[in-house]
Amino acid sequence: GENVEQHPSTLSVQEGDSAVIKCTYSDSASNYFPWYKQELGKRPQLIIDIRSNVGEKKDQRIAVTLNKTAKHFSLHITETQPEDSAVYFCAASKSNYQLIWGAGTKLIIKP
Amino acid sequence: DTAVSQTPKYLVTQMGNDKSIKCEQNLGHDTMYWYKQDSKKFLKIMFSYNNKELIINETVPNRFSPKSPDKAHLNLHINSLELGDSAVYFCASSQGDHNSPLHFGNGTRLTVT
Repeated sequence: GENVEQHPSTLSVQEGDSAVIKCTYSDSASNYFPWYKQELGKRPQLIIDIRSNVGEKKDQRIAVTLNKTAKHFSLHITETQPEDSAVYFCAASKSNYQLIWGAGTKLIIKP
Repeated sequence: DTAVSQTPKYLVTQMGNDKSIKCEQNLGHDTMYWYKQDSKKFLKIMFSYNNKELIINETVPNRFSPKSPDKAHLNLHINSLELGDSAVYFCASSQGDHNSPLHFGNGTRLTVT
């Protein structure tokens, strides 16, 4: 079955620097790749997603890139701010019923 | 105007008890889910319902029984609670069978003592 690996498990960056979180997936038929942000004590919320027919998508300081050949996708956050501190989850699916989640990355923004 | 609401927010109970968590969504979505998030933050799907029909039933003890009276509601009943059931349980919904965003409720923190 599908497997999603997420790295690193913890990432600490200086405020203002960029952060990159990487995920790899095993099922080449996966076609939907969302990223969720979960602040401490809160619910996961979608921040950006990408489908297999595009290679990159941007939304202000957040971008996601997809390499279908290598079967990996990455979340890029530029000009990090304290409010970016959270746990970030990647996921992959062939259909909405079979969303496979990464283990999460705790992002710490140092002032 | 909360999109996905679940109750209660906190639930503290003793081993062996039976408890229920309720979930309702007002987004008009066709599909609802129950997720379990343990202390290590792993998100694990437990059940998924589409238009009141069970479509995902992961390896979950049969002490857990979901019930969907209509497509806007998905409740979770847990019998004979065990210490290992302590976790945060999230309800979520999404639109149909397309690859579309999940909308999560605020979670129910279950503590079994």
